[in-house]
Amino acid sequence: EVQLVESGGGLVKPGGSLRLSCAASGFTFSNAWMSWVRQAPGKGLEWVGRVKSIADGGTRDYAAPVKGRFFISRDDSKNSLYLEMDNLKTEDTAVYYCTSSATSCFTLCAFDIWGQGTMVTVSS
Amino acid sequence: EFVLTQSPANLSLSPGERVTLSCRASQRISNYLAWYQHKRGQAPRLLIYDASNRATGIPARFSGSGSGTDFTLTISSLEPEDFAVYYCQQRSIWPWTFGQGTKVEIK
Repeated sequence: EVQLVESGGGLVKPGGSLRLSCAASGFTFSNAWMSWVRQAPGKGLEWVGRVKSIADGGTRDYAAPVKGRFFISRDDSKNSLYLEMDNLKTEDTAVYYCTSSATSCFTLCAFDIWGQGTMVTVSS
Repeated sequence: EFVLTQSPANLSLSPGERVTLSCRASQRISNYLAWYQHKRGQAPRLLIYDASNRATGIPARFSGSGSGTDFTLTISSLEPEDFAVYYCQQRSIWPWTFGQGTKVEIK
């Protein structure tokens, strides 16, 4: 079964850190472009960042609100994606989704695999 | 600043009706546009990628069209399970961005 399962969400104080994980199964993870997308309470969807497949360079890109504070990594040997979040702010409170395009976005790009999300609450 | 603008913001419709949702880009993005359906408490669901390609398992009543700056998602006949929020999303320019969403409600 094709699946993404996030974990690691929780309550953290402003300025704190948190690490989210996303476990993938049912597709060739190493070929996939992976991303994190979030939804703050009452708001729309926001693309947080992406990491390309190693074959496509493995580069990481971030949205402006998180650049310099968040770091995306992938471990293809463990079929896992991570999001390290530092210096968290109250406005980072959101449900964080892991999502995947099983094929390279240089050819056919379809983020059709999504996890159920993990809630991150930043509050004192 | 790149912006995706969806219209209308809200729609109140009955099952069986035809729906047309609009997404306008502030710059030309070729066909690099996707549509997602999102229901409360669930993961977003990809409906359409690259403007007009239905994702795997998506019913034929969903169709997408457009190129450049103007895009449309059409639902030919609303089913009860189609009441949700719909987002367009561009992948032409980083950061990839979503529109603000259109909420389709039951009348």
